[in-house]
Amino acid sequence: ETGVTQTPRHLVMGMTNKKSLKCEQHLGHNAMYWYKQSAKKPLELMFVYNFKEQTENNSVPSRFSPECPNSSHLFLHLHTLQPEDSALYLCASSQDALADPYEQYFGPGTRLTVT
Amino acid sequence: AQKVTQAQTEISVVEKEDVTLDCVYETRDTTYYLFWYKQPPSGELVFLIRRNSFDEQNEISGRYSWNFQKSTSSFNFTITASQVVDSAVYFCALSGINFGNEKLTFGTGTRLTIIP
Repeated sequence: ETGVTQTPRHLVMGMTNKKSLKCEQHLGHNAMYWYKQSAKKPLELMFVYNFKEQTENNSVPSRFSPECPNSSHLFLHLHTLQPEDSALYLCASSQDALADPYEQYFGPGTRLTVT
Repeated sequence: AQKVTQAQTEISVVEKEDVTLDCVYETRDTTYYLFWYKQPPSGELVFLIRRNSFDEQNEISGRYSWNFQKSTSSFNFTITASQVVDSAVYFCALSGINFGNEKLTFGTGTRLTIIP
């Protein structure tokens, strides 16, 4: 595997379900990011982890819970979501979120549908 | 507050035509970075370019060129001799220097379709 991978690629869940999105980067980077991409809206940064420490939480509702066990893996735990949470969730990584956050490498995303 | 506007929601051109994607930004920072990303149908965003606000020189990379004009707060992207593989959604983005405080702000994207 190379680059940034995300699983699953598609997920349909009910509002009472609990699920997790997984992201893995094979680039030796130290920073990882979660973004939400909704139709006709700008990409929204949700969370930033730098060297496994969360450095940014962009006012994301608590029904989204990130976890970064190591620099290569990032999870987004989902519970009691709302239909408006349906979106493409993109994971990205970069060498260092503070020193050089700009050249981010993105995964293919997880298309989430909440019913 | 930062804002990026990509007024063109969708553009279609015939293959081999040139096409320019517009990007206008707003920021109070005197120093900032501008970016373009490409999102092909597969979903992942591909980094294309980063431009420092100090550097107003235009940049060319193969068929791609970028025109940065600070006076009009624009950072336009031109593809010459377009190809079907250029079909994608293109995002312009802006960031202040201190990433922790000034996160990457994206535009809404322009969907480019190249017609064979």
